[in-house]
Amino acid sequence: GQNIDQPTEMTATEGAIVQINCTYQTSGFNGLFWYQQHAGEAPTFLSYNVLDGLEEKGRFSSFLSRSKGYSYLLLKELQMKDSASYLCAASDNYGQNFVFGPGTRLSVLP
Amino acid sequence: KAGVTQTPRYLIKTRGQQVTLSCSPISGHRSVSWYQQTPGQGLQFLFEYFSETQRNKGNFPGRFSGRQFSNSRSEMNVSTLELGDSALYLCASSLAAPNYGYTFGSGTRLTVV
Repeated sequence: GQNIDQPTEMTATEGAIVQINCTYQTSGFNGLFWYQQHAGEAPTFLSYNVLDGLEEKGRFSSFLSRSKGYSYLLLKELQMKDSASYLCAASDNYGQNFVFGPGTRLSVLP
Repeated sequence: KAGVTQTPRYLIKTRGQQVTLSCSPISGHRSVSWYQQTPGQGLQFLFEYFSETQRNKGNFPGRFSGRQFSNSRSEMNVSTLELGDSALYLCASSLAAPNYGYTFGSGTRLTVV
């Protein structure tokens, strides 16, 4: 089976750093994705990790540990516009089956 | 280049009716996936099409069906609508398989009354 877990809600202050964790259990694994979704809008791609380690893209970084079934998304220098839901998703061995986590709703406060 | 286009954006239907939603993927993208998103369940996978063939299917009843045309455009159909079918239906396209990265459409908001 496939199961992805992430916190439901998080709150942080503008300018701070926040880490959103994701744990996954899948029958096969081919990569871990992070998406951002603002209320009422479509999810947009943030990052993709297939190998262990940290991938940095500007203010956003994503980390993966395949042996631990664990990933996190790190957001630095938080801005009000970062208030959104962050979705973790894992793809299976063939890259065709995608399972999304429930999403973490991040609220950035002034 | 144009993004993923879903029509209509909003739809209100009555219980028992049927509905067809449309998705035009990004030009060149051959894989199209459909998801249902509700506040309680999050994003739930419906099915994925590639070259007019359904490659994968999620755990939804047979009332939910889809198809893909030779130009990669896709439609999904829900028959005998139930109140619980009210949701945002999202279509996503990718080059060959979802692990190349999805691009999502803006979705169709379906309300069943």
